[in-house]
Amino acid sequence: AQSVAQPEDQVNVAEGNPLTVKCTYSVSGNPYLFWYVQYPNRGLQFLLKYITGDNLVKGSYGFEAEFNKSQTSFHLKKPSALVSDSALYFCAVRDYTGTASKLTFGTGTRLQVTL
Amino acid sequence: GAGVSQTPSNKVTEKGKYVELRCDPISGHTALYWYRQSLGQGPEFLIYFQGTGAADDSGLPNDRFFAVRPEGSVSTLKIQRTERGDSAVYLCASSLGQGVNEQFFGPGTRLTVL
Repeated sequence: AQSVAQPEDQVNVAEGNPLTVKCTYSVSGNPYLFWYVQYPNRGLQFLLKYITGDNLVKGSYGFEAEFNKSQTSFHLKKPSALVSDSALYFCAVRDYTGTASKLTFGTGTRLQVTL
Repeated sequence: GAGVSQTPSNKVTEKGKYVELRCDPISGHTALYWYRQSLGQGPEFLIYFQGTGAADDSGLPNDRFFAVRPEGSVSTLKIQRTERGDSAVYLCASSLGQGVNEQFFGPGTRLTVL
């Protein structure tokens, strides 16, 4: 069965500093990895995905993520955090077995960016 | 263009009652998904439709839960004999076809069972 772990419940960072939100995964076969962000009282918004190719994936709002197969990780990064980045971040994985395309999500990491 | 819409945004019901939650996907998206998100948790998969048929319903917790998508567009999630443990935010998502496409989520329906 596929699974995702987000080891940090919360990450605190000062505005202007780099941020990293961690994610590790477990899946049989090739992983397809996603990051979503959830703002209060709003739906999940897609940030970026990794399918194949370059291990560094760039996404929306200046976010990027690095796929590391040997460490089974897909950490979310941003060079310079903004207060407006404060939100709940979810990592998700799917495999491509048969017709299934469900996403399995982690428990989420709350990012708090302060001035 | 319009995103995924869900109605109602909030639903309060009493234990034992029947509820229906509606999802209107993005036009042209053939795949539709239902997830359930409990407080402090990530979304958990319930069921996935490709067109009108349920391609994977392995996430439905029991036979009180049922979903339909009769014309391949709007979907309804139906919960019979609701229990307090059914209280959660029910999320709907849609995507293009069956490839590795991102899923676009609606704002959710917050269900509270008293």
